[in-house]
This record gives sequence, structure tokens and C-alpha cells, in this order.
Amino acid sequence: EDQVTQSPEALRLQEGESSSLNCSYTVSGLRGLFWYRQDPGKGPEFLFTLYSAGEEKEKERLKATLTKKESFLHITAPKPEDSATYLCAVQAGSNYQLIWGAGTKLIIKP
Amino acid sequence: DGGITQSPKYLFRKEGQNVTLSCEQNLNHDAMYWYRQDPGQGLRLIYYSQIVNDFQKGDIAEGYSVSREKKESFPLTVTSAQKNPTAFYLCASSMLGGLASPLHFGNGTRLTVT
Repeated sequence: EDQVTQSPEALRLQEGESSSLNCSYTVSGLRGLFWYRQDPGKGPEFLFTLYSAGEEKEKERLKATLTKKESFLHITAPKPEDSATYLCAVQAGSNYQLIWGAGTKLIIKP
Repeated sequence: DGGITQSPKYLFRKEGQNVTLSCEQNLNHDAMYWYRQDPGQGLRLIYYSQIVNDFQKGDIAEGYSVSREKKESFPLTVTSAQKNPTAFYLCASSMLGGLASPLHFGNGTRLTVT
């Protein structure tokens, strides 16, 4: 069964303390892996798409990487405004539909 | 600015009543989607539409209905047959193509049924 698992469920960091969020997946025929950021009471906001193992994408303090089994979202020197829930989703096979993880809630304390 | 507008932001209904959630997009996207978000769970697909006048059931379509009469609009009706309707509902759109296309989301409607 296709599955996407995110860890940890929640992560509390001090401002400036770098860390990584994990998204592991078991699917057949990866077409793309997506990272989104979601603020409370809002819809998810698209961050990155990764298509193949070894690919990396960066945006400000965020860097996403992809292997054949998982993706990491690295956060370097985070600021309080990086606090949000980060969602991972995978598109696989001939199906256009996404398989979503439950998200990681990131809290950055000043 | 292009985007997706969902209305209303909050909706309260009594059990047994049908309710319709609005979703409009001006991104000229072909595909539109409805998701349900519950605490501690991944987003679950209710319905999706890849073209006007056509739509398909997602993983949890029971108790919901949709229409796609215009490219820009994809309203969702939560019927009295939906057993646990209280949730955060998200509408999204995307371009269709060979490569995976990211979804663009609205800011959701929080429905509370008592």
C-alpha cells in the first residue's frame, strides 16, 4: 500500500537552531514529491517539487532533498516566522492524485 | 492577483441540513479538487475534476456532492448523509501535464455541524 510518513509530529527549536524534517514514502513509480507550508487557519502554500533521487531545491532558509525512500526539509538558522506545519505529499504511478503525510508542526522560539 | 477564493471562512449548521461551500479560481487551471483536513491526519481527497462537466470521486466521497459547470467554479455540497461533517475543507487547483503539477490552495472553510 502506498504510504507517506512524516516525522517528527512536532518539533520545537530555538531561533537559530538548525534541524531537519523527514518525509518517508513507500510508493511505486514516483512522479513527484511536494513540500508545503501551512499556517494556522490557512490553506497549504507550495514550497518545492522534487522529481528524482539526488535532486535538491533551496528557498531562503529551507532546503529540500530527495532519496529513493525519503525526503528531508532542512531548516538553517530558523526564525520565529518559520513556525508552521510542513506537509509532504507524493504523486506516484499513473494516478494524478496525491498521497499526503500528516505533517510536522514546527515551533521556533525567539 | 490570481488565486483561489473559498467562502465562507466559517460555517455553522444544524444536523440534517445540507450546506454548500464555494470555491472560485482565476488561475485558468483545468483541474480542481476538494480535500478534507482533520487533526493528526493527512489531507483526504473528496472529489476532483479535470474538465468542465466532469468529476470523479476521491477516497471519501460518501455524503458529498459537487458540480463543475464553469472552469472557474467547483462548489461542494455537504449533505445530511455525511456522518462526521465537522472539519476544515480545502479547495485546490492545478494545471494538468506530464510532470507532477503543484496544487494551489484556497484558505479553507471551517464547517461546524451541531
